[in-house]
Amino acid sequence: DSGVTQTPKHLITATGQRVTLRCSPRSGDLSVYWYQQSLDQGLQFLIQYYNGEERAKGNILERFSAQQFPDLHSELNLSSLELGDSALYFCASSRQGNGANVLTFGAGSRLTVL
Amino acid sequence: AQTVTQSQPEMSVQEAETVTLSCTYDTSESDYYLFWYKQPPSRQMILVIRQEAYKQQNATENRFSVNFQKAAKSFSLKISDSQLGDAAMYFCALRAGANNLFFGTGTRLTVIP
Repeated sequence: DSGVTQTPKHLITATGQRVTLRCSPRSGDLSVYWYQQSLDQGLQFLIQYYNGEERAKGNILERFSAQQFPDLHSELNLSSLELGDSALYFCASSRQGNGANVLTFGAGSRLTVL
Repeated sequence: AQTVTQSQPEMSVQEAETVTLSCTYDTSESDYYLFWYKQPPSRQMILVIRQEAYKQQNATENRFSVNFQKAAKSFSLKISDSQLGDAAMYFCALRAGANNLFFGTGTRLTVIP
């Protein structure tokens, strides 16, 4: 157990629908990151939050949004889902938001869009 | 911009032997960190080893060690005494300056009994 908790572990939904993925960071970690891993590919950075504020944005689609709440948990909202959104979505956390800090990953949420 | 290149999509090694996974990177930042992550069939991302660019000494973690060649921008991972549990996807990753962790495309390692 890495200490980063992601729910749900698996999610199956239909095209056009909206889903919310939830992440609780490791205790004491202030920064949360979201990554997308499509089948047998590398991880693509989506977005980073630090202590409730958006810190950096990667290749995140406009249909996707995220936020980090005062208790530091984060949610990734995916709307108007398409078949190509099927992927493993990882949340990671770190103590601070800079390069010296190691990212600890959750187990991922596997999204299947039918 | 930063790039991470893993030129070996697949590698295999006999159990108890040694294998080296290659990684090259590029960044214009002077302050950066390099990582190897392992992703077993469970899909969990597990940190294997980390190297600070300002350190000349190569990092080691038990059977895992790196060969960090800063001038050549090369960061290879050596796994000694390979075990069946080492079978996984291995991702090289770079975090430079204020940028986020950027991953290579991965190398799938098979361990042959």
